[in-house]
Amino acid sequence: QVQLEESGGGVVQPGRSLRLSCTVSGFTLSSYTMHWVRQTPDKGLEWLALMSYNGFPKYYADSVKGRFTISGDKSKNTMFLQMDSLRDDDTAMYYCARSQSSRSGIDYWGQGTLVTVSS
Amino acid sequence: DIQMTQSPSSLSASVGDRVTITCRASQDITNDLGWYQQKPGKAPKRLIYAASSLQSGVPSRFSGSGYGTEFTLTISSLQPEDFATYFCLQHNTYPYTFGQGTKLDIK
Repeated sequence: QVQLEESGGGVVQPGRSLRLSCTVSGFTLSSYTMHWVRQTPDKGLEWLALMSYNGFPKYYADSVKGRFTISGDKSKNTMFLQMDSLRDDDTAMYYCARSQSSRSGIDYWGQGTLVTVSS
Repeated sequence: DIQMTQSPSSLSASVGDRVTITCRASQDITNDLGWYQQKPGKAPKRLIYAASSLQSGVPSRFSGSGYGTEFTLTISSLQPEDFATYFCLQHNTYPYTFGQGTKLDIK
């Protein structure tokens, strides 16, 4: 049974950092392409980043390029999103998701973890 | 970026109704489109992939069609568990982009 579980969300001040984790089960992280997506009531869903199954290539949305870094630990079957220089508009529900390859659509999602950026 | 324009943004319908939701892409994405269902507090669930292929385990009342720039999701006979939000996702070109979502509620 494929499962993805995000953790690490919370309240953080603008300019600070936060690291999200996505622990997967039912499949091997290193055999799939993994994504981070966020959602807000106002802007809807926004794709942020992907990491292909061997760790490369990695792609980022312009809105987070240079501030967010996607990475993975194959031994723990866990993916991460390091978020630096956080801004108010990074407040969102963050989801991790999976696809079969870097050219295919997302097939499974986690339930999300909420990040609130506020002073 | 490819813009995905989804309509309607909300829809009221009754059990047994036939419902159609549309996504239009700002450029040709061939059939690189999926449809998803999202319920509050739950992980989104893929219903359709490659524009018209039914995800395993999804009821056959869900169907997708389209190619290029115009796509539709049809629910042939609404069931109580279908009241949710639906969205499309294009994965033809980075960055992947989503439709704005359609909230389907009970009339």
